[in-house]
Amino acid sequence: DAKTTQPPSMDCAEGRAANLPCNHSTISGNEYVYWYRQIHSQGPQYIIHGLKNNETNEMASLIITEDRKSSTLILPHATLRDTAVYYCIVRSPAGGTSYGKLTFGQGTILTVHP
Amino acid sequence: DGGITQSPKYLFRKEGQNVTLSCEQNLNHDAMYWYRQDPGQGLRLIYYSQIVNDFQKGDIAEGYSVSREKKESFPLTVTSAQKNPTAFYLCASSIAGITEAFFGQGTRLTVV
Repeated sequence: DAKTTQPPSMDCAEGRAANLPCNHSTISGNEYVYWYRQIHSQGPQYIIHGLKNNETNEMASLIITEDRKSSTLILPHATLRDTAVYYCIVRSPAGGTSYGKLTFGQGTILTVHP
Repeated sequence: DGGITQSPKYLFRKEGQNVTLSCEQNLNHDAMYWYRQDPGQGLRLIYYSQIVNDFQKGDIAEGYSVSREKKESFPLTVTSAQKNPTAFYLCASSIAGITEAFFGQGTRLTVV
């Protein structure tokens, strides 16, 4: 699985957009980019995933660069409840020895302040 | 309601004792996973299973064992061979390789 690099921490003002970057320069053509977040002492929560195109759902938007070597998770209007650790993960597709395996890095601690 | 359930939420054991953590899902998912998380760290994969009666070692399988006798259940045993068993343990499941994984709320194991 490709490794990812994220900043260890970021701050954001409540109501503003939070833009969380992720580098995955060794990603291969069939690997997906996933984002999860973990609020303290809880299980990680799925946010969004994508392969090539930009994606949007009710929680966030995912912008993937054309070369696929980096991506940005956007929380359009951050709230205090969005304070969490955000993980960017590159996931191998089904099949082979790494079937669906999610490999977590250190993540980015996002702190949303009033 | 469908979901993935881990029990208990907190578990205390004496050093040298084996302990089994429960993970049950009613989502009809084929794949199930066990992760370990230490304070301030990311998740590390212990074991995963793609189908019933089959499972593979993850990155840190030493000192752990699993079974997958039923699709719904994937219990993890922390054996006395595990040198540092105190940690937060998370179970997850997914339909197939590309879909998102759903996580349980975790079991915090403390060995004294």
